[in-house]
Amino acid sequence: DTAVSQTPKYLVTQMGNDKSIKCEQNLGHDTMYWYKQDSKKFLKIMFSYNNKELIINETVPNRFSPKSPDKAHLNLHINSLELGDSAVYFCASSQGIPPGNEQFFGPGTRLTVL
Amino acid sequence: SQQGEEDPQALSIQEGENATMNCSYKTSINNLQWYRQNSGRGLVHLILIRSNEREKHSGRLRVTLDTSKKSSSLLITASRAADTASYFCATDADDYKLSFGAGTTVTVRA
Repeated sequence: DTAVSQTPKYLVTQMGNDKSIKCEQNLGHDTMYWYKQDSKKFLKIMFSYNNKELIINETVPNRFSPKSPDKAHLNLHINSLELGDSAVYFCASSQGIPPGNEQFFGPGTRLTVL
Repeated sequence: SQQGEEDPQALSIQEGENATMNCSYKTSINNLQWYRQNSGRGLVHLILIRSNEREKHSGRLRVTLDTSKKSSSLLITASRAADTASYFCATDADDYKLSFGAGTTVTVRA
């Protein structure tokens, strides 16, 4: 059984398009995250939701909008895609908020903007 | 902002040898975690060490933490081909975030 799943796994699109990435966790966790991993493997937090409430909102362009319909889902919508948005996006979940909790990561969505 | 920095960036060893990688960070932390990422996969949690702990073991993994030097090390003993992966340290302070470094890429040669 997949603990944290993301769809799609690969996403290739043109500049200017709008796209969404979906994330679901079946671990019963109350906190979910979106991370961006660049080509140098540097992993950076973008957003975090705890019990559907936004608790972390890093300095990302407002073209990125997370939505958490319930505790098990955290989707990421990206408007007006740019070349620099190309990266691997990871969803993760944990029980409770940092500090001191283990995070479970999804397999990632590789986004390529042409 | 990036908190942890791993060293070296890349490491190549023979199967059966030990692999050691280090992590340095800048500000006070509550805990430090190590994660593994196999190529094309998500991160997998390996071990968490609290700021009041100095050493922790899990199977073939040994983690040390020196808060006075703001550094941690991860030792993998008797490495196997399956240990080939990138290893990341992640620190958490009081801002609800885990801050990751750019990782150490470990290649274990058969």
